[in-house]
Amino acid sequence: DIVLTQFPDSLAVSLGDRATINCKSSQSVLYSSNNKNYLAWYQQKPGQPPKLLIYWASTRESGVPDRFSGSGSGTDFTLTISSLQAEDVAVYYCQQYYSNPRTFGQGTKVEIK
Amino acid sequence: QVQVVQSGAEVKKPGASVKVSCKASGYTSTTSYMHWVRQAPGQGLEWMGMINLSGGGTTYAQKFQGRVTMTRDTSTSTIYLEVSSLRGEDTAVYFCAGGSEWSPFAFWGQGTLVTVSS
Repeated sequence: DIVLTQFPDSLAVSLGDRATINCKSSQSVLYSSNNKNYLAWYQQKPGQPPKLLIYWASTRESGVPDRFSGSGSGTDFTLTISSLQAEDVAVYYCQQYYSNPRTFGQGTKVEIK
Repeated sequence: QVQVVQSGAEVKKPGASVKVSCKASGYTSTTSYMHWVRQAPGQGLEWMGMINLSGGGTTYAQKFQGRVTMTRDTSTSTIYLEVSSLRGEDTAVYFCAGGSEWSPFAFWGQGTLVTVSS
């Protein structure tokens, strides 16, 4: 099974500042035949289901604000919130869809400092 | 606009079974698979398995093999998750989520809380 490890587990950021979340995979999720990274990011607010933010490691889902961006390849990935807004307080998860079982990182809680 | 509606909360005793439903509408032909993901209280997300909406083929996480059954009813666009031999550790919110075979989960149901308690 592919293990995804996120860090930090939590972070507190001032409004308007940058938030950076990392996700490290135990093996590459880059599929060589199409050069795509099978890695997604989700945002989950209390009492709600997860919401897809980023897929193919760096493609923003329709309707997601452009302050959210994803980067990385192979085994190391980053989700960046360029200017944190109050509504971004949530838990963020990375997920690989390269192989079964699909696995998620343990989550990173983002709060306002 | 995809709409997904899951069945309501359940309370079950240890050893019992539970069957949760998920009705999706408005999705396109690119949605070929539905997945089940669960989340224990205060914990992270755990993938349980997936079902092919056309052929009904299933893939289960090894942890749940033999205890979980996923089915679908194409006439009502509803999928089902049945979990047997329930134990306290199965207390969780169960989500259905949709996408194509090797894609992220583009849409999610609202979740169904299953509480296992004597």
